[in-house]
Amino acid sequence: DTEVTQTPKHLVMGMTNKKSLKCEQHMGHRAMYWYKQKAKKPPELMFVYSYEKLSINESVPSRFSPECPNSSLLNLHLHALQPEDSALYLCASSQVEDSLVYGYTFGSGTRLTVV
Amino acid sequence: QKEVEQNSGPLSVPEGAIASLNCTYSDRGSQSFFWYRQYSGKSPELIMFIYSNGDKEDGRFTAQLNKASQYVSLLIRDSQPSDSATYLCAVRKNSGYSTLTFGKGTMLLVSP
Repeated sequence: DTEVTQTPKHLVMGMTNKKSLKCEQHMGHRAMYWYKQKAKKPPELMFVYSYEKLSINESVPSRFSPECPNSSLLNLHLHALQPEDSALYLCASSQVEDSLVYGYTFGSGTRLTVV
Repeated sequence: QKEVEQNSGPLSVPEGAIASLNCTYSDRGSQSFFWYRQYSGKSPELIMFIYSNGDKEDGRFTAQLNKASQYVSLLIRDSQPSDSATYLCAVRKNSGYSTLTFGKGTMLLVSP
């Protein structure tokens, strides 16, 4: 299995809703990432988990709450979002070991629209 | 100076031509370099990585790295309309899981 699976693929939510994005990989990768990508912009790092522990939070607003329940799963809990949070949310995973060759494997993304 | 710079394009080439995509980076400590292809509305897909000076070839793709000039490029030979996409250059400073820094991407348009 060489895939990162993200669900749902599309999500429309109101500003008062609570929703969660899910990400799953079975490649044995112990680093997992959440990125946000707006149209015609590069992916922007939000969070990094390494060995199921949060290692990087890029000053993301608290209305985004990540969770890594186990080595295969990564969630992003959403609450009280703003319309400007509408974007493509990408999950990625990679090896952690000391090597030069490991890039990220991205999931297909969740297209989020906040209304 | 931005960490990873790419010309946003679009770069337009006719079918069958060589497309040359360029990327410069500011941190001399950068060790690994990646090229991702992203179709509109889709997620990035890894095409090539390179970490040694010189050329690395994979099919129609060649990645070139010049650490002294802090420059990395991607050549696409025999360009096809299906190559039309945005190409993201990404740089990693260290080995292991240290994060990738992405350039803004170059849009490539290959006309039939």
